[in-house]
Amino acid sequence: AQSVAQPEDQVNVAEGNPLTVKCTYSVSGNPYLFWYVQYPNRGLQFLLKYITGDNLVKGSYGFEAEFNKSQTSFHLKKPSALVSDSALYFCAVRDMRNTDKLIFGTGTRLQVFP
Amino acid sequence: IAGITQAPTSQILAAGRRMTLRCTQDMRHNAMYWYRQDLGLGLRLIHYSNTAGTTGKGEVPDGYSVSRANTDDFPLTLASAVPSQTSVYFCASSDQTYGEQFFGPGTRLTVL
Repeated sequence: AQSVAQPEDQVNVAEGNPLTVKCTYSVSGNPYLFWYVQYPNRGLQFLLKYITGDNLVKGSYGFEAEFNKSQTSFHLKKPSALVSDSALYFCAVRDMRNTDKLIFGTGTRLQVFP
Repeated sequence: IAGITQAPTSQILAAGRRMTLRCTQDMRHNAMYWYRQDLGLGLRLIHYSNTAGTTGKGEVPDGYSVSRANTDDFPLTLASAVPSQTSVYFCASSDQTYGEQFFGPGTRLTVL
């Protein structure tokens, strides 16, 4: 079965420190992977995607993600966290059996402390 | 209009009442989706439409119906609301090139 897992419900980090939000996936074939962010009382906003090519993908707001095929992971990273990065983050993978759909993880709440 | 709009922003509804959540996009995307978001469960797909005139069932379709008369509009109807349908509902659209979806601001629905 195709799936996405976000093993951490919450990640806490001090402002200025690097952050990582973890995501692992299980799909058949080559994955299309996505990260979204949701601020309070808002819809999901697209951050970045991996389709093919360089394993390090750069996205909005200074975020980047590293695709690791051997570990089936797509962790979201940022070198220096901001308090304003505090939000809910969702990893998603395209369902290759139904190419118009995304499978979302359950989300990870990032809390950045001043 | 820029992107996806949803209406209403929030609604309190008595159980048994009929309710239609509206969704409109101006990006001319072929595909549209309805999700519900519940604490601890993430986003779950209710219904989708790959193109105008077609619809399909998602992960949790029971109690909901959709229609897609044109490219821009994708309303979601609760025929007889129940308290378990209390949730935040998001509409999304995609141009289907890589599967990237764009989301509306959401509708917060409370069924009492």
